[in-house]
Amino acid sequence: GAVVSQHPSRVICKSGTSVKIECRSLDFQATTMFWYRQFPKQSLMLMATSNEGSKATYEQGVEKDKFLINHASLTLSTLTVTSAHPEDSSFYICSAEGTSGRGGAKNIQYFGAGTRLSVL
Amino acid sequence: AQSVTQPDIHITVSEGASLELRCNYSYGATPYLFWYVQSPGQGLQLLLKYFSGDTLVQGIKGFEAEFKRSQSSFNLRKPSVHWSDAAEYFCAVGNNAGNMLTFGGGTRLMVKP
Repeated sequence: GAVVSQHPSRVICKSGTSVKIECRSLDFQATTMFWYRQFPKQSLMLMATSNEGSKATYEQGVEKDKFLINHASLTLSTLTVTSAHPEDSSFYICSAEGTSGRGGAKNIQYFGAGTRLSVL
Repeated sequence: AQSVTQPDIHITVSEGASLELRCNYSYGATPYLFWYVQSPGQGLQLLLKYFSGDTLVQGIKGFEAEFKRSQSSFNLRKPSVHWSDAAEYFCAVGNNAGNMLTFGGGTRLMVKP
C-alpha cells in the first residue's frame, strides 16, 4: 500500500518549453503533497507544499511563477516547469502524506520515483 | 528551525560487516525521525520511523535505529550488510504536524565484496 506514482520518469526538452510532471497517490488519498528538487549527489530541497484545493506554499527562493503547482484532487498534484532553462535541469521528486483512515499512515511521506528533467 | 546532520558523506563496508550510519538532529520538541534509502535514479523508500515509545525501532530490510534524546541522535544500524544495501541513505526530521521534513545531506554507502 501507500504507492506514489510519478510521471514521467525522464524528460528532455528544449529551452523555453514547459514541462508538466504528475504525482499520483495510487491507493490512498493525500491532502498534502510535496515537491522536492535534488541536485546531483546532494540532499532533497523542499520546493513547495501543496494542499488539495488550495494554493501551494512555496519555500523561500522558489519562483512560484516558474514552478506552477496544482493539487486539484486528493490523488493528483502536478508541477509545471514553465519556460524551462538549462539551469532547471534537475531531479524532481514528489511525495504524498498519508491521512489516517484513508490509507497511508499519517505523518509519513511516501515518495515517487522521481523525474529527471534535462533542458537542452 | 529544525536541522539534520549526517557527518559521514561516504562509508564503505565489507559485505557481511556491521553498519552504523550517524544522524544528529536539532529540533525544539520531540521530533519525528525517519530514515529513507534512495537507489540511483530512484525515489526514496522509508526504512523506519520514530514517533514515540520504544526508542529502538525496527525497520525493513533488517535495519534498526535508536533514538537517543540526550545525544540528539538517531543512528541507523544493520548487523550484517548485503551488497544490495549499497545506496544513499537520508535521515530526516519532521515536525509533529507531519508536514515539514528536513533532510540530512545523505550518506552514500558502498559495499565491498
